[in-house]
Amino acid sequence: GDSVTQMEGPVTLSEEAFLTINCTYTATGYPSLFWYVQYPGEGLQLLLKATKADDKGSNKGFEATYRKETTSFHLEKGSVQVSDSAVYFCALGSKTSYDKVIFGPGTSLSVIP
Amino acid sequence: EAGVVQSPRYKIIEKKQPVAFWCNPISGHNTLYWYLQNLGQGPELLIRYENEEAVDDSQLPKDRFSAERLKGVDSTLKIQPAELGDSAVYLCASSLDFTGARTGELFFGEGSRLTVL
Repeated sequence: GDSVTQMEGPVTLSEEAFLTINCTYTATGYPSLFWYVQYPGEGLQLLLKATKADDKGSNKGFEATYRKETTSFHLEKGSVQVSDSAVYFCALGSKTSYDKVIFGPGTSLSVIP
Repeated sequence: EAGVVQSPRYKIIEKKQPVAFWCNPISGHNTLYWYLQNLGQGPELLIRYENEEAVDDSQLPKDRFSAERLKGVDSTLKIQPAELGDSAVYLCASSLDFTGARTGELFFGEGSRLTVL
């Protein structure tokens, strides 16, 4: 079935460092791809999305490009801030028998001053 | 605008006891989801409602779990009897309609953390 794999955490970075969180997927057809973020004490929220191959999603300085050839959707940010400390979930919108969002295991990011 | 509201935030019970979680979605959202999130893992869908109808409950353990969404608004998820392995966070989410899985526009509550002793 459809699934998402992402790099294990926790990831600890210094402020202003470059961030990459790897994500790969397995799916039937061409799913939509998402990154969700969960800040401490809050619910998950959509960070960015891409709905077709070669699309680039971006928000709050984060970017991810839908790569069909490598079935990947890596999350990047050029300069992280302490406020980016959170858990990041890669996810796909499955188009199999029932439309549903399938999540990866999450990657915890801590940014230290 | 109010977000998705869940209660209780925390619940501690002994095994074999019943427990219920409540969810109030964003006003006007027709689709409601219950997800299970185990420690260190991503959310897994338990059940999805389109208005009052459960359209995907394939992952709901029906021997002990039940859910309802009366009048197509609030929803309740029940476990009876609870087992040790049910300790987890139960997340509720809502979206405008069934296209939520394609747009990613799911809005999550803060979750209900269950501990079964």
